Amino acid sequence: AQTVTQSQPEMSVQEAETVTLSCTYDTSESNYYLFWYKQPPSRQMILVIRQEAYKQQNATENRFSVNFQKAAKSFSLKISDSQLGDTAMYFCAFMKLLIQGAQKLVFGQGTRLTINP
Amino acid sequence: DAGITQSPRYKITETGRQVTLMCHQTWSHSYMFWYRQDLGHGLRLIYYSAAADITDKGEVPDGYVVSRSKTENFPLTLESATRSQTSVYFCASSPGLGAKRNTIYFGEGSWLTVV
Repeated sequence: AQTVTQSQPEMSVQEAETVTLSCTYDTSESNYYLFWYKQPPSRQMILVIRQEAYKQQNATENRFSVNFQKAAKSFSLKISDSQLGDTAMYFCAFMKLLIQGAQKLVFGQGTRLTINP
Repeated sequence: DAGITQSPRYKITETGRQVTLMCHQTWSHSYMFWYRQDLGHGLRLIYYSAAADITDKGEVPDGYVVSRSKTENFPLTLESATRSQTSVYFCASSPGLGAKRNTIYFGEGSWLTVV
């Protein structure tokens, strides 16, 4: 069974600093997708970035980038020039294919990130 | 672009009552999902649907019923609500085709309290 582990329950940095959130996963599959979702206090789940396992190039979305290490099964999220609006819970998720072609996300426990002014 | 709309957003109900959470998406996505999020847990899959009239169980389906008579709607019913079903419920959808076929998009969540 796939599992996702986020080893940092909470992190806190100053505004404009760079912060890296860790995520490791366990799977026997060779092709899969990984995601980072942001959940602000409103509890809405917002997609931050996604990575396809067959792509060696790390995904980037503006200030957000990932360090994907497939052999190590590691998928960390780097936030550059952090802003107050980045304060949120961040979830790492692994996508598993189900029957009928549907997909299921397996989530880690989350990392609560606080950006301080 | 309305996306995914959930209703009600907030609901308090009594133990034993039937409750239905509605989900409507405007993207014509093939796949729809219901997740629940409890304190101390990430999201867990309750039910999913690959198309109209095709549904299947996820990790935690007990006590829930779903239907999907139309592609755009995927209601979740708690047949006899229990306090353990107090949670935030998220509806989600995925296109299943195209460049974003393996991306899941979430609604804003429905906060349900069972007293």
